[in-house]
Amino acid sequence: DTAVSQTPKYLVTQMGNDKSIKCEQNLGHDTMYWYKQDSKKFLKIMFSYNNKELIINETVPNRFSPKSPDKAHLNLHINSLELGDSAVYFCASRGANVLTFGAGSRLTVL
Amino acid sequence: KQEVTQIPAALSVPEGENLVLNCSFTDSAIYNLQWFRQDPGKGLTSLLLIQSSQREQTSGRLNASLDKSSGRSTLYIAASQPGDSATYLCAVNTGTASKLTFGTGTRLQVTL
Repeated sequence: DTAVSQTPKYLVTQMGNDKSIKCEQNLGHDTMYWYKQDSKKFLKIMFSYNNKELIINETVPNRFSPKSPDKAHLNLHINSLELGDSAVYFCASRGANVLTFGAGSRLTVL
Repeated sequence: KQEVTQIPAALSVPEGENLVLNCSFTDSAIYNLQWFRQDPGKGLTSLLLIQSSQREQTSGRLNASLDKSSGRSTLYIAASQPGDSATYLCAVNTGTASKLTFGTGTRLQVTL
């Protein structure tokens, strides 16, 4: 059983499109995150939710909107995709101060 | 603003060598520090977590130390193996919401 699962694993799309990445965790954790890893492999936090409430919102364009329907899910919706959005997006959940990461979703914007 | 730096950026060693990866951070007011491993095209695997009150943690051939006052952590890998080849990331937790600030990573290659 995968603890933190993300779909899709790969996503190729055109500029201007809207896309979503889904994340689910079966660890029973209350807190979930979205991180972005750019082409230089640098990981940066984007959002964090605790029990469906937004607790961290870094300087991210309004085109990015996280949604947490329940504490086991944290989805990321991106509007009007731009070339610079190409990256690997990682979902994570936290339990006992340890973060467990998903395998990542590689987004390529053409 | 917390900044985390890892040195070296890349390292190649022959199998069997002991090695040290370095991590430094600018704000010593941390809750904990975590070392991760990332294999190409894969997610991150947590290796060791050191609380701010601890000096070191060990897991198998891995030993991580923390000197909070000087803003440094090291990851020691004993008797390296080709399977240890990966990128190693350190991440510092500076908030109650576990907002991790990641380092730039050290790409390790262990050769036969």
